[in-house]
Amino acid sequence: GAVVSQHPSWVICKSGTSVKIECRSLDFQATTMFWYRQFPKQSLMLMATSNEGSKATYEQGVEKDKFLINHASLTLSTLTVTSAHPEDSSFYICSARHHAQYFGPGTRLTVL
Amino acid sequence: GNSVTQMEGPVTLSEEAFLTINCTYTATGYPSLFWYVQYPGEGLQLLLKATKADDKGSNKGFEATYRKETTSFHLEKGSVQVSDSAVYFCALSALEEGSARQLTFGSGTQLTVLP
Repeated sequence: GAVVSQHPSWVICKSGTSVKIECRSLDFQATTMFWYRQFPKQSLMLMATSNEGSKATYEQGVEKDKFLINHASLTLSTLTVTSAHPEDSSFYICSARHHAQYFGPGTRLTVL
Repeated sequence: GNSVTQMEGPVTLSEEAFLTINCTYTATGYPSLFWYVQYPGEGLQLLLKATKADDKGSNKGFEATYRKETTSFHLEKGSVQVSDSAVYFCALSALEEGSARQLTFGSGTQLTVLP
């Protein structure tokens, strides 16, 4: 079946630094990828939709200058959390669409 | 707007026990309903779905029936196994194929099955 990977699986960083999370579709090409955020015991919240070669579409309330999304190829999308702060600590999950929707395993970000 | 409310966990059962995870929804129009499962260290996987009222989705022994009158989509399995231990998410979508833009998730229910 289709596999989506994320790297890193977890990251700890200092406040004020930037963190990049990669999402790759391993055995299929995904023209559309999605980034979700999940707080403990809460739902997955869609942050943005990215299409290969074009700018991402952000959901209301998501700061596009803080959460930079680049979908450089049909198999790779990156989310960069810029100038991270403790309130950005969360579980970030990507998803890639190819006929159906396939999810990555998530990345746990902790900002100290 | 759309919302999904599912039973809070964690749920702990013995092997071969009967499982029910409740899910109710609020939506405009006629959404499609889904159950996703997330095994430890893996991504969410679609477990089953139903696209219209009275449809029953089933997979791997799990079943859920789309009940429009009660706006529910409860997940059931007659005899759980240790390998069913995972987090289960109920979700709805305004489009039949579950376009991510319209996917609304419940908060997830952790299931642990003991041998």
